[in-house]
Amino acid sequence: DIQMTQSPSPLSASVGDRVTITCQASQDITTFLNWYQQKPGKAPKVLIYDASSLERGVPSRFSGSGSGTYFTLTISSLQPEDSATYYCQQYKSAPLTFGGGTKVEIK
Amino acid sequence: EVQVVESGGGLVQPGGSLRLSCAASGFSNTNYAISWVRQAPGSGLEWVSAISDSDQSIYYTHYADSVKGRFTVSRDSPRNTVYLQMNSLRAEDTAIYYCAKHQGPGIAARPTCAFDLWGQGTMVAVSS
Repeated sequence: DIQMTQSPSPLSASVGDRVTITCQASQDITTFLNWYQQKPGKAPKVLIYDASSLERGVPSRFSGSGSGTYFTLTISSLQPEDSATYYCQQYKSAPLTFGGGTKVEIK
Repeated sequence: EVQVVESGGGLVQPGGSLRLSCAASGFSNTNYAISWVRQAPGSGLEWVSAISDSDQSIYYTHYADSVKGRFTVSRDSPRNTVYLQMNSLRAEDTAIYYCAKHQGPGIAARPTCAFDLWGQGTMVAVSS
């Protein structure tokens, strides 16, 4: 099975900060990676798919990059509504696997 | 409105069974893969199972190692519903179970495999 490791967690930053979350895969997954945002009591929501494609309706301050085993999710200017937990997920092969999550807190 | 709605959760004793349903509306779920994802209290997301689209009545299923042999995913195309039959339930199966639609027909290793539509979740509690 492919293991996904996220860092850091938690992450505390101020409004307006540039924030980067990293995700490492235990083996090459090319660009078969998605990013999700989950707020308390809510279902997750896809932000980025295929490593770098922005889901329709998601603010452009969110971006994704990477390939192979190393990936990043960047929020260019953190907003109060971005307080949430973020998960990466690989779909190179089943079983599909998620990272452990990164909780982003606003200072 | 395009949505998926889960039902069937509840309290069950260890060793018992439950069947969860994921009813789609606003689209034909036979054209898309569907996954089940769970979240134990205070924990992260865990993928459980997936079923591919049902082109020509042939579909593929996959399971997490933690549920293989105990859980079965299936489709009822006329009802536009996907089921998760859960047998031999354990305390560690306690979680919110989400149904999630894939962007396309496949489960893995091709574009359009992200979960782009989620239900509100249904709670499963396994306890004596």
